[in-house]
Amino acid sequence: DVKVTQSSRYLVKRTGEKVFLECVQDMDHENMFWYRQDPGLGLRLIYFSYDVKMKEKGDIPEGYSVSREKKERFSLILESASTNQTSMYLCASSLPHRRAQETQYFGPGTRLLVL
Amino acid sequence: DQQVKQNSPSLSVQEGRISILNCDYTNSMFDYFLWYKKYPAEGPTFLISISSIKDKNEDGRFTVFLNKSAKHLSLHIVPSQPGDSAVYFCAATNSGNTPLVFGKGTRLSVIA
Repeated sequence: DVKVTQSSRYLVKRTGEKVFLECVQDMDHENMFWYRQDPGLGLRLIYFSYDVKMKEKGDIPEGYSVSREKKERFSLILESASTNQTSMYLCASSLPHRRAQETQYFGPGTRLLVL
Repeated sequence: DQQVKQNSPSLSVQEGRISILNCDYTNSMFDYFLWYKKYPAEGPTFLISISSIKDKNEDGRFTVFLNKSAKHLSLHIVPSQPGDSAVYFCAATNSGNTPLVFGKGTRLSVIA
């Protein structure tokens, strides 16, 4: 059974703080993804990674960075949190090959509030 | 520039009746389509998918139909149950190592 875990379910931070969101998957998946979900905007891809040390920008990478030092762990970093980064953050993972990779497994999400 | 569109933000259906959720796409390179279901405070979970070589895929109460010429797909839930109340996301991708593109979601409410 695939399991994707995220370090926090709820987080409150102040404007300007550096924020780390951690995601760990236990299924040896190569691909990992970070999304944010906002009302009326659906799921928007921030960054993704196809392998250790690799990262690719998604649709909305501004204000974010990522780190993939180990296969099972993908971290999202808000260098200087701003109020417009208040959102639900979702991590996902998947296998790499052609058909299986499209089925992504999601973590439970981290609801971040930036004051 | 939305490549995957779910034009109905919400849908309300009586228990036992059919729920039909629609999705349109603009990118003709998309060849694989998925539906995800999301409950509040949980991550989305995979529901059903369809390849562009098919026009229908069925899994229990859930059926996805694909009309390539219209660039349209739909998810049918029969019969609808209160536990089906959730947000449903349509997603698409093309062959190869590209991320899924998601629609904005449709909130389904099944009324007992």
